[in-house]
Amino acid sequence: TQLLEQSPQFLSIQEGENLTVYCNSSSVFSSLQWYRQEPGEGPVLLVTVVTGGEVKKLKRLTFQFGDARKDSSLHITAAQPGDTGLYLCAPRDDKIIFGKGTRLHILP
Amino acid sequence: DTGVSQNPRHKITKRGQNVTFRCDPISEHNRLYWYRQTLGQGPEFLTYFQNEAQLEKSRLLSDRFSAERPKGSFSTLEIQRTEQGDSAMYLCASSTPREVLARSSDTQYFGPGTRLTVL
Repeated sequence: TQLLEQSPQFLSIQEGENLTVYCNSSSVFSSLQWYRQEPGEGPVLLVTVVTGGEVKKLKRLTFQFGDARKDSSLHITAAQPGDTGLYLCAPRDDKIIFGKGTRLHILP
Repeated sequence: DTGVSQNPRHKITKRGQNVTFRCDPISEHNRLYWYRQTLGQGPEFLTYFQNEAQLEKSRLLSDRFSAERPKGSFSTLEIQRTEQGDSAMYLCASSTPREVLARSSDTQYFGPGTRLTVL
């Protein structure tokens, strides 16, 4: 089992601020996925990163895969209340093994 | 709305009762997955089907749990003799178009979940 650690566990910031959350492991992954889960809903896939050092952007969200493919980060610029949710990372697989997630709350 | 529906959305039951949840996947998908999510945790894999065949079961799926997908379309998850530790959100997901016979790691589309509370 590949153990993923996400940090921080909780983050509460003001609207308009920037933030970064992290997904770390001692294992190497062929690919990694980020999901966002809003309260009362299932997770929704945001992005899949495949190549070491890869950077992908989704509007104000920037995802980076570490050079060694052991870690990843998600940076949000000018956070909005709509960004509130649980951010999960997981290796791409049939049986997805999620980290515990980072619970993000953006204060208006 | 991802196209995956789950019913009921909420279920409250007393310890020892049996409960059954239903998942209707995206109709074009042949793979269906069940996950369980407890407070403060990410979802944990329970089991998955390709068409009507149950291909893998997690050790988390004790003998009190049974999942079926009899016609390869909707699926049910039954918990017998519920315990307070079964309280959780039960999520269903589907993936992989039917015309694709065998392809792994396709994007999974999750339903909204069924929240179970065992008193």
